[in-house]
Amino acid sequence: NAGVMQNPRHLVRRRGQEARLRCSPMKGHSHVYWYRQLPEEGLKFMVYLQKENIIDESGMPKERFSAEFPKEGPSILRIQQVVRGDSAAYFCASSPVKGVQLGTEAFFGQGTRLTVV
Amino acid sequence: GQQVMQIPQYQHVQEGEDFTTYCNSSTTLSNIQWYKQRPGGHPVFLIQLVKSGEVKKQKRLTFQFGEAKKNSSLHITATQTTDVGTYFCAGRTGTASKLTFGTGTRLQVTL
Repeated sequence: NAGVMQNPRHLVRRRGQEARLRCSPMKGHSHVYWYRQLPEEGLKFMVYLQKENIIDESGMPKERFSAEFPKEGPSILRIQQVVRGDSAAYFCASSPVKGVQLGTEAFFGQGTRLTVV
Repeated sequence: GQQVMQIPQYQHVQEGEDFTTYCNSSTTLSNIQWYKQRPGGHPVFLIQLVKSGEVKKQKRLTFQFGEAKKNSSLHITATQTTDVGTYFCAGRTGTASKLTFGTGTRLQVTL
């Protein structure tokens, strides 16, 4: 059973470009979470999605950021018109259906390190 | 909104010394989890605590959930260099599925 897969591992974008980060959850997991981590800082919640639904996006910046988790394919975190302040590690985590109610662990991917130049 | 703070922010110990990190939430938690992140790595789940006053042990690691379910601690006995990393607590409130992470404690262990 492959773990949570994120790609790319490293992404360099110029200011103003778009960044697309992909996350494939573990097999059987239908819940995906995205977190942002600035260097030497903690994990900031961004968004929680189920298949085809955004459940909680309270941590998402109002502009330029969007997320989706389509019926087929990976979850995508999209950042439009990137700025230097978007440089960070973006982690995706997944959990099974029961995990939401019973509070089981979240399995993290290895992250995408975004650098905006 | 909910805030989860950890102290200390950073601790440097010599191998063999003990280490403790404390986690405090501004709101009552339904459960708390602990994760470890090695430098350059991703968070890895260590344990979950659910009951008030619960204590769990994993070899040299002891985890405790406060009676009021608003604080928790992780204690490592006789640290080793393999314990190096950042330790995060993460909590859920009520039926909310969102995991709110603490600010983390970075542990450095030297010989």
